[in-house]
Amino acid sequence: GNSVTQMEGPVTLSEEAFLTINCTYTATGYPSLFWYVQYPGEGLQLLLKATKADDKGSNKGFEATYRKETTSFHLEKGSVQVSDSAVYFCALRRSSGNTGKLIFGQGTTLQVKP
Amino acid sequence: DAGVTQSPTHLIKTRGQQVTLRCSPKSGHDTVSWYQQALGQGPQFIFQYYEEEERQRGNFPDRFSGHQFPNYSSELNVNALLLGDSALYLCASSGTGGDIYGYTFGSGTRLTVV
Repeated sequence: GNSVTQMEGPVTLSEEAFLTINCTYTATGYPSLFWYVQYPGEGLQLLLKATKADDKGSNKGFEATYRKETTSFHLEKGSVQVSDSAVYFCALRRSSGNTGKLIFGQGTTLQVKP
Repeated sequence: DAGVTQSPTHLIKTRGQQVTLRCSPKSGHDTVSWYQQALGQGPQFIFQYYEEEERQRGNFPDRFSGHQFPNYSSELNVNALLLGDSALYLCASSGTGGDIYGYTFGSGTRLTVV
């Protein structure tokens, strides 16, 4: 079946450090891939997305590249800030358009210390 | 432009009771999906409503039911509550126009079953 696996957390970094959160997926066909962020006490916010192989999604300094050959969509940021502390979820959607359900990984907690 | 609105924000129920959660989608969105997020886990898809009908359903028992109204708002009903139903329930809306790959999530309803 379709699934998403993320690296376990928590990930603890100092401010301005480089961030990588690994995400791999299992799916048939060509899913769309997403990263969502959840701040304490809040819902999910879409961080970035990629809809086909080799696409790079980017937003707020975060980037992720859709790698079909390795079935991966790793999240990276060159210099993290304390305000980036949150839980990050990798997700996929099989169907095009709005009909497909999102399948999430278990989430990775990021803690950034000053 | 209001985003997705969920009510109530917090709820405490006793095992065996019934609960109704409500969701108003983002303006211009006509599709509503519900997700259950247990503590420390990624969200799990419950079901999706479009044109007042259930279009997709995840692996949840019949105790979970829903409804969509002509104004696109939606309700999630859970009967015979179990302790394991304690979770954050997230509503996500999407539309047939605009950014078709984006879901907008609400902040969720935190349900505690005691």
